[in-house]
Order: sequence, then C-alpha cells, then structure tokens
Amino acid sequence: DAGVIQSPRHEVTEMGQEVTLRCKPISGHNSLFWYRQTMMRGLELLIYFNNNVPIDDSGMPEDRFSAKMPNASFSTLKIQPSEPRDSAVYFCASSPLWGRKTTNEKLFFGSGTQLSVL
Amino acid sequence: ELKVEQNPLFLSMQEGKNYTIYCNYSTTSDRLYWYRQDPGKSLESLFVLLSNGAVKQEGRLMASLDTKARLSTLHITAAVHDLSATYFCAVDRDSNYQLIWGAGTKLIIKP
Repeated sequence: DAGVIQSPRHEVTEMGQEVTLRCKPISGHNSLFWYRQTMMRGLELLIYFNNNVPIDDSGMPEDRFSAKMPNASFSTLKIQPSEPRDSAVYFCASSPLWGRKTTNEKLFFGSGTQLSVL
Repeated sequence: ELKVEQNPLFLSMQEGKNYTIYCNYSTTSDRLYWYRQDPGKSLESLFVLLSNGAVKQEGRLMASLDTKARLSTLHITAAVHDLSATYFCAVDRDSNYQLIWGAGTKLIIKP
C-alpha cells in the first residue's frame, strides 16, 4: 500500500487566496484526521471523520476552514481566505482500528503539506 | 483539562549511552502512544500502551506505562545515530478519538 497520500507537498500562496489540501487515506481505513503542526502550538487536531462523516470539528480554527470527505478514499481541507497565521504543516492521518483500544490502534500519517501564506 | 508534558524537550547525547524521555499527563487515561518524527518528515507510530505496567520494546527503544503515576517513559539503550529524531507522546482524552500531544523531545545522537 502506498500509505496516506497528501497533495500538494508544498503550497505557497498570498493572503486572501483560497487553499485546498488533499488527502487519500489508506484503503480500508474508516477513520480520518486532519492535524496542523506549528512550532508554537505543536500538533493540533482540526477535524475527525469516521466512515466519511465528520464527528468532531471543534478544532477547526474558524469559519475560514472547512473539510469534506465525499467518499472513503478522498478528503479535502479548504482555507478561504487564507491568512499568514495559517502557515503550518498540515497532516492527514488515517486508521483502521481507531477507538477499539487494541495494541494495533495506530494513526498512519501522510507526508504533510507545508503551507506558507505570504 | 488534559495536559501532556514531556521532558526533556531537547536532548543531545553520545552514541552508546542510555537515556530516558519522560511523559507526564494530568488526568486519567487508558491509552498512551509514542510516535517518532524525522526532520521534515511524517510521524511514525512506535508503541501503543494500554494498561498499567505495560512494557513494549522494539530494538533499542523500550516504553513503559504507569497509570497510577500518570507517567510513561521511553528508554533508549546504547543509542545510535539513526535514533536521532523528535519523539512525541500522546494521550487519549477518553473520547475514543481525541489525542492530546506532548510538545515532543528532540533527540540528537552524536557519533
């Protein structure tokens, strides 16, 4: 399996522009997470999907952020309009066994998207 | 509010030495995870610890969990350069999906 695939790897944009980040989870995984990583705030959960349904979006910073999962193999995170403070690495992660409290319960992370908003 | 604290945040050590990274958390939890991140790379799962007294070992890394003390340790034995990375612990907020992450321990192992 190719693992969790994210695109683009790097995105540089200007303030006010729309940014769309994409994620393809590992086939068969029913849980998907979007995380943001910054030096100041560390790893923050933005949103969690289970079986394509958003379960908790309380980590989404504000209305400028939105996420969708139209099917089991694709998710997007959109920022509109983008601001310099959105600059971070955005990770998508998936898991086949999340919440089942087993020793195989793992998050599989993608390579991340490095977003720079100028 | 669940808080997760790691220490040290930065560790520089020589190859061949032993050392321990500590992860303290503030409220009860039934799951603790360790992840590794190489510079500019993704995060990779190392260990999942589910019960008090749990001990997991993989190569030169060994993780343990003391739920009564709310403490997990990641012990490095006879460190080698390839173990240089940032190590994160994360604790379940007893919600079945929400992890609270430590700030990470940046480990540099010098030849």
